[in-house]
Amino acid sequence: EPEVTQTPSHQVTQMGQEVILRCVPISNHLYFYWYRQILGQKVEFLVSFYNNEISEKSEIFDDQFSVERPDGSNFTLKIRSTKLEDSAMYFCASSRDNNYGYTFGSGTRLTVV
Amino acid sequence: KNQVEQSPQSLIILEGKNCTLQCNYTVSPFSNLRWYKQDTGRGPVSLTIMTFSENTKSNGRYTATLDADTKQSSLHITASQLSDSASYICVTNAGNNRKLIWGLGTSLAVNP
Repeated sequence: EPEVTQTPSHQVTQMGQEVILRCVPISNHLYFYWYRQILGQKVEFLVSFYNNEISEKSEIFDDQFSVERPDGSNFTLKIRSTKLEDSAMYFCASSRDNNYGYTFGSGTRLTVV
Repeated sequence: KNQVEQSPQSLIILEGKNCTLQCNYTVSPFSNLRWYKQDTGRGPVSLTIMTFSENTKSNGRYTATLDADTKQSSLHITASQLSDSASYICVTNAGNNRKLIWGLGTSLAVNP
């Protein structure tokens, strides 16, 4: 069964450093998403991406965050200057249409120290 | 405000027993409701998706129900197995929004 692949599975970074989280969505999917889950809290929407541009973003997705699909297969989330409160599990998801069939990756656990 | 509330927060049952998890939502306009299973440290995996017109859907030992009038959904797990131990999350999609609205989940522990 097709999978969404995320790398790395765990990243530790110092506060103020830039991190790039990588995702390889399912190949025939057109919609891409980033979500995050702080330990013990709800999964939160960050951003959706379609047709090479952001289609929606949440209030969490401020100027410190950016997304890119640099080569037609990878989908990346960049955090420019990490803060302690950015520590969370970050999930990438993709879907073929806008309403059904989201497939999530296994996540990247980001720890900011 | 679009919101999803789940109960109970946590549940412990013995292997082989059945259980039912509850979800109440206040989402407008309503598009669909999903139940996800999330193992610790893993990504959510879809169990069922129901639209407004569907009031029940099964996936193996998992049966979800939806009452669009009362804005309630339930997930029934039959003959539980140890591998059912996980967090079960109720999620809705409001209209044309591209973002999912998540509940906090019910943490289920199945003990031998």
